[in-house]
Amino acid sequence: EAGVTQSPTHLIKTRGQQVTLRCSPISGHTSVYWYQQALGLGLQFLLWYDEGEERNRGNFPPRFSGRQFPNYSSELNVNALELEDSALYLCASSLGSGGFTDTQYFGPGTRLTVL
Amino acid sequence: AQKVTQAQTEISVVEKEDVTLDCVYETRDTTYYLFWYKQPPSGELVFLIRRNSFDEQNEISGRYSWNFQKSTSSFNFTITASQVVDSAVYFCALSEARTGANSKLTFGKGITLSVRP
Repeated sequence: EAGVTQSPTHLIKTRGQQVTLRCSPISGHTSVYWYQQALGLGLQFLLWYDEGEERNRGNFPPRFSGRQFPNYSSELNVNALELEDSALYLCASSLGSGGFTDTQYFGPGTRLTVL
Repeated sequence: AQKVTQAQTEISVVEKEDVTLDCVYETRDTTYYLFWYKQPPSGELVFLIRRNSFDEQNEISGRYSWNFQKSTSSFNFTITASQVVDSAVYFCALSEARTGANSKLTFGKGITLSVRP
């Protein structure tokens, strides 16, 4: 069974640009989560989508947004990129509706570099 | 507020040594889950184990074992007879039942384990 997939694997952008990251969950999983892993800041929760709706977001500005499609895949959009947005962006999926009992399974991540 | 502390930042051992990775958590919830993930150099977080707050039974899986103690708010992870392939960053994480927190994992800073041949 295929795991969580993410694209692209690497991305280089300049300050002020916009970027879209993509994630496909494990087959049968309906919840998708996004995390940012920036150097020195650790893993931080960004967003949670379930059944096409944004259910929760972490402490990030509105220029971080996303959506979930009917096939449960998801996009993360980051507008007006700043240097500190450089990070590994990890997507995870879970089988249930995103409750605290769910185990989240992670993809390989997208490495974003902002110059 | 929820918090996960992994006081050890880097550990280096020689192959076949046993190594214990410490995790201490803080939560006001009585219902929660604890997790360990492994992040090899490839970057992907690999799920290792989860334990709920009502189950303090320790677990052994091959060379891995976990010691959960609510009295000390600790969920420690031991690798027996370590191997070079165990080299990775290990994260402890917490999920809580309360509304607004129940969809996210709170991670510790991670422990970088290097196993030398």
